[in-house]
Amino acid sequence: SQQGEEDPQALSIQEGENATMNCSYKTSINNLQWYRQNSGRGLVHLILIRSNEREKHSGRLRVTLDTSKKSSSLLITASRAADTASYFCATEDQGGSEKLVFGKGTKLTVNP
Amino acid sequence: NAGVTQTPKFQVLKTGQSMTLQCAQDMNHNSMYWYRQDPGMGLRLIYYSASEGTTDKGEVPNGYNVSRLNKREFSLRLESAAPSQTSVYFCASSGSRLTGYEQYFGPGTRLTVT
Repeated sequence: SQQGEEDPQALSIQEGENATMNCSYKTSINNLQWYRQNSGRGLVHLILIRSNEREKHSGRLRVTLDTSKKSSSLLITASRAADTASYFCATEDQGGSEKLVFGKGTKLTVNP
Repeated sequence: NAGVTQTPKFQVLKTGQSMTLQCAQDMNHNSMYWYRQDPGMGLRLIYYSASEGTTDKGEVPNGYNVSRLNKREFSLRLESAAPSQTSVYFCASSGSRLTGYEQYFGPGTRLTVT
């Protein structure tokens, strides 16, 4: 069953604006990861945040994690048309099963 | 360094036909995975293999079988295809706990069952 649930399901913004996507999950985790999927392509790993971290940055990406609320957010600053893609969160649970559980994704459209 | 490769890219089957989807990785990863992706459903795990010689069921294993042929290759077989198996199939691999099992994905196989 799906662990992560992204919100919103779809988001449309103008180039230069910031995009924020949220992910909620159900069980205790070791880490949470964000992936991007361009149309017709496989997923690409963006960033990983561990359960003992609260915030992480990578370029124009900022990820936060609130384990008390079982939620994470992905912020893309100064968005570009090339950021148009679907974004998925994935969680590794504390069971150490080597599996990730993916959410259903947020479809981001950045209009030029 | 090709990463994760999948063949074929596209396939059309008639109900009841069988086929094998091939996947290979050249990153010396221990773990490999097969997912299906349907509109509005995200990715669902079919089977995974934590190491050569081991396989385990995921969320939606019915109608599929897998073989971890060696460390590089992990194949997915549909013995008797059904229209409900129309989907995009992704293979992935991951390295170690140190990387949080960050997964690397292949380009996908688009399967249509008529």
